[in-house]
Amino acid sequence: EPEVTQTPSHQVTQMGQEVILRCVPISNHLYFYWYRQILGQKVEFLVSFYNNEISEKSEIFDDQFSVERPDGSNFTLKIRSTKLEDSAMYFCASRTGNYGYTFGSGTRLTVV
Amino acid sequence: QKEVEQNSGPLSVPEGAIASLNCTYSDRGSQSFFWYRQYSGKSPELIMFIYSNGDKEDGRFTAQLNKASQYVSLLIRDSQPSDSATYLCAVNLIANDMRFGAGTRLTVKP
Repeated sequence: EPEVTQTPSHQVTQMGQEVILRCVPISNHLYFYWYRQILGQKVEFLVSFYNNEISEKSEIFDDQFSVERPDGSNFTLKIRSTKLEDSAMYFCASRTGNYGYTFGSGTRLTVV
Repeated sequence: QKEVEQNSGPLSVPEGAIASLNCTYSDRGSQSFFWYRQYSGKSPELIMFIYSNGDKEDGRFTAQLNKASQYVSLLIRDSQPSDSATYLCAVNLIANDMRFGAGTRLTVKP
């Protein structure tokens, strides 16, 4: 069964450093997403991406965040200057049509 | 007002019983409704989606949607210990992408 692949599975970074989280969505999917889940809390929407541009972003997705689809397969989330409160599990998801999103296994980001 | 609300639980049922999970949403124009299961430390896994009022059955799972009441539920029949997880309700809002409720933690006791 097709799956969404995320790397790395766990990333530890120093506060203030830049991190790039990588995702390979399912190949025929057209819509791409990043969500995050702080430990013990709900899954929160960050951003959606369609047709090579951001279609929607939440209040969380401030100027420190950016997304890119550099080569037609990868979909990346960059955090420019990480803060302690950015520590969370970050999920990439993709979909085609309206049959629900397929999530990757997540990247656990720990900012120290 | 929260967009998607769920009782956080925990909900505990004995093995073999029916587990009933509930969700309400605020945007009356919402069109697509999803139930995801999330095991601890894992990503959400789609169980069912429903678009129309009424019931939709898939194996031991039944999703129920009542748009007039802005209410969607998930019934799990013959609950098994392996069903123990957090169940996330998700809704596609008009002009917005999918939003999740906080989830209900279900424990099925052998």
